[in-house]
Amino acid sequence: TQLLEQSPQFLSIQEGENLTVYCNSSSVFSSLQWYRQEPGEGPVLLVTVVTGGEVKKLKRLTFQFGDARKDSSLHITAAQPGDTGLYLCAGGGGSTLGRLYFGRGTQLTVWP
Amino acid sequence: AAGVIQSPRHLIKEKRETATLKCYPIPRHDTVYWYQQGPGQDPQFLISFYEKMQSDKGSIPDRFSAQQFSDYHSELNMSSLELGDSALYFCASSFVNRDTEAFFGQGTRLTVV
Repeated sequence: TQLLEQSPQFLSIQEGENLTVYCNSSSVFSSLQWYRQEPGEGPVLLVTVVTGGEVKKLKRLTFQFGDARKDSSLHITAAQPGDTGLYLCAGGGGSTLGRLYFGRGTQLTVWP
Repeated sequence: AAGVIQSPRHLIKEKRETATLKCYPIPRHDTVYWYQQGPGQDPQFLISFYEKMQSDKGSIPDRFSAQQFSDYHSELNMSSLELGDSALYFCASSFVNRDTEAFFGQGTRLTVV
């Protein structure tokens, strides 16, 4: 059973378009991380959100943590080919020493 | 900035052989995690260590064992390898007061033939 559900699973868009990726769960998380992963490489941490309702911006990327800390979204404005990759959300449980629960990821392809 | 270092990057082993993967966490990080990622899958948690003690255990087979040493590096030992063990193995590290914010290494690609 997947604790975190990501949608869409695949997204193929043209350069310049906007997009939103969703990460949903029925469980409450103490924190939520977004990672980007290239094929054969390790996930690279993009952002961590910890407060319900929190919004963080990283250049053209906007991350939001739901008020109830059960869901999150990643919005990319004016996507570029360099944004292509696998975006993974991961939730941290109540213990800071514990595991991350990953979603299955959204494979984003941005065409020039 | 220093990142998580894993070695080797690639490893090819035959069935029933043994493999040892090494992980060097980011300096001053006190927690190490091991994850396994199969083709097209999300990372699956195996085991974690905090201050050299096992802190959490996931779906790690009994054929695998891991430990964290006094210098905080960690090793994942895999015995009686099976074809299904072929995967990317990631190590991640974090600092205990940073909300499970984990930084991943580049991974070891293990191929069992």
